[in-house]
Amino acid sequence: DARVTQTPRHKVTEMGQEVTMRCQPILGHNTVFWYRQTMMQGLELLAYFRNRAPLDDSGMPKDRFSAEMPDATLATLKIQPSEPRDSAVYFCATILAGSSTDTQYFGPGTRLTVL
Amino acid sequence: QKEVEQNSGPLSVPEGAIASLNCTYSDRGSQSFFWYRQYSGKSPELIMSIYSNGDKEDGRFTAQLNKASQYVSLLIRDSQPSDSATYLCAVRGSGAGSYQLTFGKGTKLSVIP
Repeated sequence: DARVTQTPRHKVTEMGQEVTMRCQPILGHNTVFWYRQTMMQGLELLAYFRNRAPLDDSGMPKDRFSAEMPDATLATLKIQPSEPRDSAVYFCATILAGSSTDTQYFGPGTRLTVL
Repeated sequence: QKEVEQNSGPLSVPEGAIASLNCTYSDRGSQSFFWYRQYSGKSPELIMSIYSNGDKEDGRFTAQLNKASQYVSLLIRDSQPSDSATYLCAVRGSGAGSYQLTFGKGTKLSVIP
């Protein structure tokens, strides 16, 4: 299926709890980006992977956020412990690096609310 | 720090008019430029990409690029209420092999019937 999928679509949790968000890239896409979107900051790049290897995670708070790509069909973003300021919509986007197009395709997002 | 600037709006235009959305960027070496549309509560979707100076037309949409002025614009002709959304300008960095995009904060467009 030529779509990026993300789960869960919505997550409400309490401060201090662990949150895991998942992204399934478009089949064959080798580069995955994680973004966070808030009204104040807009879309911010948190981290990205190519061929499952992390290339840049400079946008991610290292003390509580971690991103992994255990296999080519799954990328995860974890927050532990979560804080109210982490409330946002988290998107992943994927591309096939090296192809004739450099368009990023976005998943539907995970709307996270931390109480 | 690479920056992409857009007027936040809201930009209100009557139905049938031309909507003009503007974007400036700071990285002079940028090569790829994108316009994404984002409806409320939805994810960004690509509507136009442009790589060379000049105009690129696709249906009612025209993207314009001026690298010397570091300026990208999007024109929407015959605006429809369904065009009401936030439009995000995105710029791909100049680093070799880098596919990172820097996004503007978006311009909210309202098309009034």
